[in-house]
Amino acid sequence: ELKVEQNPLFLSMQEGKNYTIYCNYSTTSDRLYWYRQDPGKSLESLFVLLSNGAVKQEGRLMASLDTKARLSTLHITAAVHDLSATYFCAVVNAGKSTFGDGTTLTVKP
Amino acid sequence: NAGVTQTPKFQVLKTGQSMTLQCAQDMNHNSMYWYRQDPGMGLRLIYYSASEGTTDKGEVPNGYNVSRLNKREFSLRLESAAPSQTSVYFCASRSGGQETQYFGPGTRLLVL
Repeated sequence: ELKVEQNPLFLSMQEGKNYTIYCNYSTTSDRLYWYRQDPGKSLESLFVLLSNGAVKQEGRLMASLDTKARLSTLHITAAVHDLSATYFCAVVNAGKSTFGDGTTLTVKP
Repeated sequence: NAGVTQTPKFQVLKTGQSMTLQCAQDMNHNSMYWYRQDPGMGLRLIYYSASEGTTDKGEVPNGYNVSRLNKREFSLRLESAAPSQTSVYFCASRSGGQETQYFGPGTRLLVL
């Protein structure tokens, strides 16, 4: 059974600071997705990582994938309040996605 | 394009009642999914349909049934609702392969 663990589960940051969210998974997969969810809203796709060493960047967010370590990271650079949300990673195995429990990020002035 | 739509947006049921959650997508996607999200948790897969005419169980299928009515529509049925089924239900679709999933707005279900 595929297990996906995110840490930390809760993260409070000050604006302007950097931080990294980690996503570890238990079995082989070559596809990993990052999503963002605002309170009371649906999920929005952020990044699709399809191969070992893949790196994607969008604004202040950068995601990477290390399939050998079974690890993905979501790095936040110079956080701003608008990044406050819950971030989920999802790993695909045998055609099915397994989600982590999410990291709730709060960015404070 | 409306993307993925879900009805209803909110529903209150009494224990033992039945209901069907509707989902439709207008992106010509092959695969469709039903998830539930409980407070403070990620999404858990209930059922999915890799293509029209096929359905498969996910992680938490007990108490649910699904129908892939056609390529656009994928419904989720609760035959006899239980308080443990109180949750937010999301439908999603994907064109196939390595594409990301697109999610509907969700249905908030409360079972009393």
